[in-house]
Amino acid sequence: NAGVTQTPKFQVLKTGQSMTLQCAQDMNHNSMYWYRQDPGMGLRLIYYSASEGTTDKGEVPNGYNVSRLNKREFSLRLESAAPSQTSVYFCASSPPGLAGGTDTQYFGPGTRLTVL
Amino acid sequence: KQEVTQIPAALSVPEGENLVLNCSFTDSAIYNLQWFRQDPGKGLTSLLLIQSSQREQTSGRLNASLDKSSGRSTLYIAASQPGDSATYLCAVKPGTASKLTFGTGTRLQVTL
Repeated sequence: NAGVTQTPKFQVLKTGQSMTLQCAQDMNHNSMYWYRQDPGMGLRLIYYSASEGTTDKGEVPNGYNVSRLNKREFSLRLESAAPSQTSVYFCASSPPGLAGGTDTQYFGPGTRLTVL
Repeated sequence: KQEVTQIPAALSVPEGENLVLNCSFTDSAIYNLQWFRQDPGKGLTSLLLIQSSQREQTSGRLNASLDKSSGRSTLYIAASQPGDSATYLCAVKPGTASKLTFGTGTRLQVTL
């Protein structure tokens, strides 16, 4: 049981390049999330997917797209990277909780992205 | 808009000391509150989750309390150890929606 896995672990891009961050979970969780973590800003939600086939914007979605490929996989795409997107990106997943809500989130190890 | 604040941003204590980390939030209408631990260069690990109807949760040397009316939570760590050195984040969940709002964390260092 690997939990939540993310690839790659590190990436350096030039401004304008595109890339996709991959995330997979093997816990049969319904909900998956993408966050970015910046110094002094805490974690901010980019996009989330409450179930397979659905995605919703979070707090900072501009410049990103997502795909919930199946129940296991949730990818984050940067179409034209900008230096402001230099950050650490975390994927998380959670099972359904009480009253239809979600409880504990399980995080991947993160992808450290630098855009030059 | 819900805002979550953690003060202090950093804390250094000698081994063996009991300590309290603070978390405050602006909107008391929360579904639950979680405390996470983050080691350098790693992801987050959930430590304790307190539902809105609960006052506290305990796990080993950790005790988290919740006072919704005052918009505050504390994480108490007993008999601190160097292995407790990490960043501790709290996050609140507003209602049954999926999103969490995170604080910026308190970086704890426990010295020998």
